[in-house]
Amino acid sequence: GQSLEQPSEVTAVEGAIVQINCTYQTSGFYGLSWYQQHDGGAPTFLSYNALDGLEETGRFSSFLSRSDSYGYLLLQELQMKDSASYFCATGAGSYQLTFGKGTKLSVIP
Amino acid sequence: KAGVTQTPRYLIKTRGQQVTLSCSPISGHRSVSWYQQTPGQGLQFLFEYFSETQRNKGNFPGRFSGRQFSNSRSEMNVSTLELGDSALYLCASSAQGQGASNTQYFGPGTRLTVL
Repeated sequence: GQSLEQPSEVTAVEGAIVQINCTYQTSGFYGLSWYQQHDGGAPTFLSYNALDGLEETGRFSSFLSRSDSYGYLLLQELQMKDSASYFCATGAGSYQLTFGKGTKLSVIP
Repeated sequence: KAGVTQTPRYLIKTRGQQVTLSCSPISGHRSVSWYQQTPGQGLQFLFEYFSETQRNKGNFPGRFSGRQFSNSRSEMNVSTLELGDSALYLCASSAQGQGASNTQYFGPGTRLTVL
């Protein structure tokens, strides 16, 4: 089976940096993805890590350590519009994605 | 390209009824997955279809079923609705649907309320 753990809520100040952690347990591992979902909206893909290390996409970066079964999403220069839920997800080649329960990020002025 | 579309967007049903939800994937995508999203349980995988074949099914009772048509459009059906079936049902399409490397494109969802 697969399970992913992430904090339920995080609050950060506009302009700051925030890190959202994700630890996983899987019977197989096919990479870690991150999705963003605004209230009332659909999840949208942010990033994917297949190998260890950092992937950077603009203000967002994602990190993976397969030996530690751990990854994180790093958001820099936080903006109010970054207030949303963030989900880590992994697939084990079985044609499905398993999601963590999501981290609700609140950005405050 | 047009995105993933789902109909209807909102639905109210009563216990014991059945419901059918529809999803049209992005053109060219052959994989369609369905998820149930609730505040307590997050996003839970229901099933995945590729070229009209169900390749995987999540841990949901048999009241939940689905199918995919030759044009990749998909439907899911829930029979004998229960109060606990109230949720946002999300459909996602992808090119291949295999593992985390294959980006899932989500539709806006159908908000089902069971009274």
